Amino acid sequence: SAVISQKPSRDICQRGTSLTIQCQVDSQVTMMFWYRQQPGQSLTLIATANQGSEATYESGFVIDKFPISRPNLTFSTLTVSNMSPEDSSIYLCSVLLPGQGLDTQYFGPGTRLTVL
Amino acid sequence: DAKTTQPNSMESNEEEPVHLPCNHSTISGTDYIHWYRQLPSQGPEYVIHGLTSNVNNRMASLAIAEDRKSSTLILHRATLRDAAVYYCILTYNNNDMRFGAGTRLTVKP
Repeated sequence: SAVISQKPSRDICQRGTSLTIQCQVDSQVTMMFWYRQQPGQSLTLIATANQGSEATYESGFVIDKFPISRPNLTFSTLTVSNMSPEDSSIYLCSVLLPGQGLDTQYFGPGTRLTVL
Repeated sequence: DAKTTQPNSMESNEEEPVHLPCNHSTISGTDYIHWYRQLPSQGPEYVIHGLTSNVNNRMASLAIAEDRKSSTLILHRATLRDAAVYYCILTYNNNDMRFGAGTRLTVKP
């Protein structure tokens, strides 16, 4: 497994502002993922972030709203831009690591975002 | 993507076994069956995965039907700490995971 940390753990923001969420892993990983979990809902994949290439966004998510950086093999950031109350969610990063016969995703603790 | 169907919620008594079912009738031959759980206020946690044969690890057992159209996650002795949402997910390579609604497990003392 891996130790995955996220900063901030939670934040309350005003609409129209932007927040950058950091994800740090204690080992080098090729694939990192960003998910959103809206209140009372399941997880939805936002994008896949591979080091050295542009992030790949899922349907319904765009780079202008959720820009992602992946400067090295242990770190990534997700920015939630021009926030509205509908962006209030938990944002989670995950990484893909070798497992028993199959690579396994491990998740960070999440960042709880409230937009007023 | 192959879909899974799980009960919305289940209850168990502490110290008793729990069988969490998952139906996946459209599973393809290359899909692995993964189980994750999400404890309150935490990110999802890997539990177990399998392809065709039953699997055991320190957390749970996974029983897979012979036709692979269903599977059951077995917690041998539920504890209060096992109260979580359990997700059954099908994926070929684990880098394309689609989470459904999952089963919310309540463990009663």
